[in-house]
Amino acid sequence: GENVEQHPSTLSVQEGDSAVIKCTYSDSASNYFPWYKQELGKGPQLIIDIRSNVGEKKDQRIAVTLNKTAKHFSLHITETQPEDSAVYFCAASNGNQFYFGTGTSLTVIP
Amino acid sequence: SQTIHQWPATLVQPVGSPLSLECTVEGTSNPNLYWYRQAAGRGLQLLFYSVGIGQISSEVPQNLSASRPQDRQFILSSKKLLLSDSGFYLCAWSISGPGDTIYFGEGSWLTVV
Repeated sequence: GENVEQHPSTLSVQEGDSAVIKCTYSDSASNYFPWYKQELGKGPQLIIDIRSNVGEKKDQRIAVTLNKTAKHFSLHITETQPEDSAVYFCAASNGNQFYFGTGTSLTVIP
Repeated sequence: SQTIHQWPATLVQPVGSPLSLECTVEGTSNPNLYWYRQAAGRGLQLLFYSVGIGQISSEVPQNLSASRPQDRQFILSSKKLLLSDSGFYLCAWSISGPGDTIYFGEGSWLTVV
C-alpha cells in the first residue's frame, strides 16, 4: 500500500518568514494530493490540493508543488502570520484510498 | 453548500459504559461517510467508511462499531468502552469514493475514565 512520510514533525518560524513542509509518497498510482490545516480542538480543514497533471498551485500565501518523478510534494506558506499556527497534514490518494502523513506542528512566533 | 455536523463535542464516559457519536451531512445526497480517530493530536486513523445505507467497511478491528441508518447519518458506537478508546473522533464525508476529497467535521473529544 501507499506510504506517506511528512517532515518536519515540528516547525517554528518568525512571523513574516516562509514555512515549507514536505511529503513523500511511494505509490506511483497516487494522483491527488490535498493539504489540511488543523487548529487546536477542531477538525482538519482542506486548504489546498493538487492533482498529478499539475506541477504547482497557488492560493494567496499558500502554494503546493508536486514532483511526480521524485514522488514528493510540498506546502509553502509565505509571509507567515500567527494565525497560521496549527498542525498541517498532507495526504495522497490513488483513487481508492486516502493516506495521511503524520502531521507537522507549525508555530509562528510573533 | 454542504455542511457536516457531529455531536457531542465532548464526552466523558466511565469504562464499560456505552458510546454513541452521531454525524449528519447536509446539502448532498449519497455521500461516502467516514469515522477517523486521532490520538495525541496527530495520526488520522480510518476506523470505518460507508458508501451507502447499511454498507459499512471496517478498517481496524476494535471495540467500536458503526451504522448508517439513513443516507446522511453515520453513527459510531460501542457497547462497553475501554480506556484505550479515548481520543478525538472525526466524522468526514466525500462526494464519491474513498479517493475523493474528504471533508471533516469538528470532531468529538472522548475521555474514558
